[in-house]
Amino acid sequence: GAVVSQHPSWVICKSGTSVKIECRSLDFQATTMFWYRQFPKQSLMLMATSNEGSKATYEQGVEKDKFLINHASLTLSTLTVTSAHPEDSSFYICSAGGTGGRQETQYFGPGTRLLVL
Amino acid sequence: QKEVEQNSGPLSVPEGAIASLNCTYSDRGSQSFFWYRQYSGKSPELIMSIYSNGDKEDGRFTAQLNKASQYVSLLIRDSQPSDSATYLCAVNRRSGYSTLTFGKGTMLLVSP
Repeated sequence: GAVVSQHPSWVICKSGTSVKIECRSLDFQATTMFWYRQFPKQSLMLMATSNEGSKATYEQGVEKDKFLINHASLTLSTLTVTSAHPEDSSFYICSAGGTGGRQETQYFGPGTRLLVL
Repeated sequence: QKEVEQNSGPLSVPEGAIASLNCTYSDRGSQSFFWYRQYSGKSPELIMSIYSNGDKEDGRFTAQLNKASQYVSLLIRDSQPSDSATYLCAVNRRSGYSTLTFGKGTMLLVSP
């Protein structure tokens, strides 16, 4: 149990385009989803926290107009990187916090590697 | 003071030895504690959770919590090369919510 999927696992795009990443909790309802970014050999960096049906809360320094987050249901959150640039190339990882007994921890998706040319 | 602190390592142990990973946290009101394992190039994977003082064992893994000392540790018995990874300590400061504060992780290297 507690499976989180992400799609796509890899994406290569041209500078200036937008990229959408999906995060799904497959076998539980995720009241809260989190989006992280990780550069090579660096720590996880929390970008934003989203609760189903409400606006995401962004960490300091993360541009909310560039990284659009939608948490439309208890099983799906999306991150859209708008007008992507090479410096946005990174490993994007979502995690989901569940309900009931899974409420107090996070289960991570496999991540999405973004390369912006 | 950082909220969750871990030694970055690398911690090097020979195969078959016990690896001891340590973590301290600053918020005395923290409720729940977690250890994640992250292999290079992969996302974190939950391996242990602990909520009350004492030891919790799961296979070769033992989590230890001492709230008075604000200290949580992870012991890996009979370490294997496949245990080589970065281990992240995470703390939940608010019961019933899933927002975690992560340490920067300790890299463990198990040599054959």
